[in-house]
Amino acid sequence: DVKVTQSSRYLVKRTGEKVFLECVQDMDHENMFWYRQDPGLGLRLIYFSYDVKMKEKGDIPEGYSVSREKKERFSLILESASTNQTSMYLCASSSILANTNTEAFFGQGTRLTVV
Amino acid sequence: RKEVEQDPGPFNVPEGATVAFNCTYSNSASQSFFWYRQDCRKEPKLLMSVYSSGNEDGRFTAQLNRASQYISLLIRDSKLSDSATYLCVVNAGNYGQNFVFGPGTRLSVLP
Repeated sequence: DVKVTQSSRYLVKRTGEKVFLECVQDMDHENMFWYRQDPGLGLRLIYFSYDVKMKEKGDIPEGYSVSREKKERFSLILESASTNQTSMYLCASSSILANTNTEAFFGQGTRLTVV
Repeated sequence: RKEVEQDPGPFNVPEGATVAFNCTYSNSASQSFFWYRQDCRKEPKLLMSVYSSGNEDGRFTAQLNRASQYISLLIRDSKLSDSATYLCVVNAGNYGQNFVFGPGTRLSVLP
């Protein structure tokens, strides 16, 4: 069974803390993504990576950074957490196979609360 | 204009009803199309991919009209367990890297 695993389901952090969200996939996928999901705003892309050490900014990268040192792992870093970063964070991965409907597989999500 | 738009919902339907969701997308270069289902406080999961010829999976039928940039999902004989938010998703990237998610349409199937 294919899997994308996020390190925490629920996380509570204080304003100003540095926060690491970890994501691991076991499908040998090239693409990995970090989204946040907020009521009324849908899923918004923060960053994605198409290869080890490669990253591209998404729609809302401000206040975040990412790291992809190994193909299976993609980390999201909140350099200095703020209350407006309270959200559901979703990691996903997908293959780059051409000529196929390559779906995105999601982790179970991390509900982060910044107090 | 948003890249992917869906019926705003919510849809409240009785068990056994047929319900149809509509979705439009703006990027004519989109190549892959999907319907995802998301239960409350859970991650999105693939319901079905959508192919140009249309496809069916049990009670679910998806259709794609590339000329009109329109995607639909039909659910027949609704079950209580179909209650969820349905996300329309398109991908315009050459290497599967450009997923764009619609805002979702919430469905509640009532007993």
